[in-house]
Amino acid sequence: EVQLAESGGGLVQPGGSLRLSCAASGFTFSNYAMSWVRQAPGKGLEWVSVITGSGGASYYADSVKGRFTISRDNSKKTLYLQMDSLTAEDTAVYYCAKDLRSGGKGDVWGKGTTVTVSS
Amino acid sequence: DIVMTQSPDSLAVSLGERATINCKSSQNILYNSDNKNYLAWYQQKPGQPPQLLIYWASTREPGVPARFSGSGSGTDFTLTISSLQAEDVAVYYCHQYYSTPVTFGQGTRLEIK
Repeated sequence: EVQLAESGGGLVQPGGSLRLSCAASGFTFSNYAMSWVRQAPGKGLEWVSVITGSGGASYYADSVKGRFTISRDNSKKTLYLQMDSLTAEDTAVYYCAKDLRSGGKGDVWGKGTTVTVSS
Repeated sequence: DIVMTQSPDSLAVSLGERATINCKSSQNILYNSDNKNYLAWYQQKPGQPPQLLIYWASTREPGVPARFSGSGSGTDFTLTISSLQAEDVAVYYCHQYYSTPVTFGQGTRLEIK
């Protein structure tokens, strides 16, 4: 069974940092691009970042560019999101999604991990 | 960026009746080289992640009930639930995966009348 499991969320102060992880199983991880998508409380879905299967290319939403870094370790079948200079506007549930990209249908999502930025 | 606009924002339909949700993209998302519309529909129930229902505008994901169907091309798309069931109460999102950044509609909340 294809599964994604996020971890690493929590409460962080404004200006702080957090690293999210997404553990994948049930598919050949390195064959697929992976994305992070977030959902602020009571709001809709916002794509955050995508990384290619090899990890050779990545793209970011303007709202996080320069503050967030996506990466992956294909040997560990794990996706990461390093989040720096966090603000209250980054408070959200963060989902990882398989093959959510230009040309990809985003068929599997994790259950999400909650990030709260507050003093 | 391609802006996706859904209508209505919320919808109340009686059990067994038809529900229709519309989605309009700010740019054409039909790719001429493969004649495919890069449009998906997701269902999100409270406290759960989004679940893929439809991709390529009209292809049902395996396991999705046949009462869900998608239609449209170019810039205008529709998700139809032919006979609403209680378990269909959710928020529905359209999503374009034609270009980066991929984007989502604002969501349509579907309730039972």
